[in-house]
Parts: sequence; structure tokens; C-alpha cells
Amino acid sequence: GDSVTQMEGPVTLSEEAFLTINCTYTATGYPSLFWYVQYPGEGLQLLLKATKADDKGSNKGFEATYRKETTSFHLEKGSVQVSDSAVYFCALSDNTDKLIFGTGTRLQVFP
Amino acid sequence: EPEVTQTPSHQVTQMGQEVILRCVPISNHLYFYWYRQILGQKVEFLVSFYNNEISEKSEIFDDQFSVERPDGSNFTLKIRSTKLEDSAMYFCASKNQGGPNQPQHFGDGTRLSIL
Repeated sequence: GDSVTQMEGPVTLSEEAFLTINCTYTATGYPSLFWYVQYPGEGLQLLLKATKADDKGSNKGFEATYRKETTSFHLEKGSVQVSDSAVYFCALSDNTDKLIFGTGTRLQVFP
Repeated sequence: EPEVTQTPSHQVTQMGQEVILRCVPISNHLYFYWYRQILGQKVEFLVSFYNNEISEKSEIFDDQFSVERPDGSNFTLKIRSTKLEDSAMYFCASKNQGGPNQPQHFGDGTRLSIL
């Protein structure tokens, strides 16, 4: 069945460092891809999405490009802040409409 | 910005007891979901609901689980006879249109602890 694989965390960075969180997927069709973020004590918030190949989703300085040839949707940010510390989930939505999540990657940013 | 609200934030229940988790989806949304996250594990799909019936359910969603939209605003998840392994964070989500392109909006979750 469809699945999402994320890099293991935690990812620990200093403020203003470059961030990459890897995400790859397996799907039989052409899913939509999402990044959700979970701040401490809160629910899942949509960060960005891409619905077809070569689409780039972006929000709050974060970007991810839907790469069909490598079945990837890596999350990047050029300069992280302490306030970006959270757990980041990559997810796909297939034709059945449910979300399939990766395991989540914890990001810790230190001043 | 409208949001999905879930109550209670934390529920502690004895094994074997029934529990009802409550959700108020965003008001103009028509598609509703429940997910769960066991501590340290993935967020897993449980069930989707549209037009007053279940659209899809996972293998986790067995006969002990049920969902209901009792009125125009609430969406509930009932576990009839809880087990220790039901301990998890339960998330409700909703969206206004069907199809994979529309993002789901999540509540803050209910932490369910079974003793």
C-alpha cells in the first residue's frame, strides 16, 4: 500500500542554519503531498502542500517540491529560527481521501 | 481563523469502560476524519465520514469503535469497551471539499489514557 518515509530525528540546528528534512513516498497513483507541523502541546497544522509533479509548496519561509522522478517531497528552509522548533510530518493523500503520514521528525533549534 | 475543537483535552478511563471523544469541526466543512497517534508512533487513519455515513475505515476501526454526527455541529468517536492499547492521542480533522487536493484541518487532539 501507499506509504511515507521520513528521516529520523531529532534534527538539531543553530539559529539561522539551513534545514532539510527528507521525505520520500510510495504510491500507486498520483497523490497530493503535504507537510504538517505540530508545535508543543498543539495539534497538526498544515504547513504547505503540492498537488502535482514539479509543484512547489511554500509557507513561512519553508519550501518543498513534488519530485515524481525521485518520489520525494523534501522540506527546506534557508534560515531556521528558535520558534521553528516542532515536529514536522510529511503526508500524502491518495484517491481514497485519507492522509497517510510519515513518522514525524523533531526539529530543535538553539539560539 | 475558524478551527476544529476537541474535548476533553485529556481523558482518563478504566479499561473496559466506554469513552466518547468529541469534536466540533469547522462549520461549513462536510468531510470528517478521526486519526490516532500512539506515543512515539505514526499518526494513523481511523475513519472518514461524509453525508452521515462512513466513507472508509482502517483495520484499527473494529466493532468497538463507532462514529456519529448527532447534530449539525458535533462529530463523536465512541470506543465501547476500552483496552490498554487504545491509549493514544486522538485527532479529529475536517475539510470542506472531497478529493486528495484539499487539506484537512486538525484539532489539538484528545489524549486518552486507559488504566
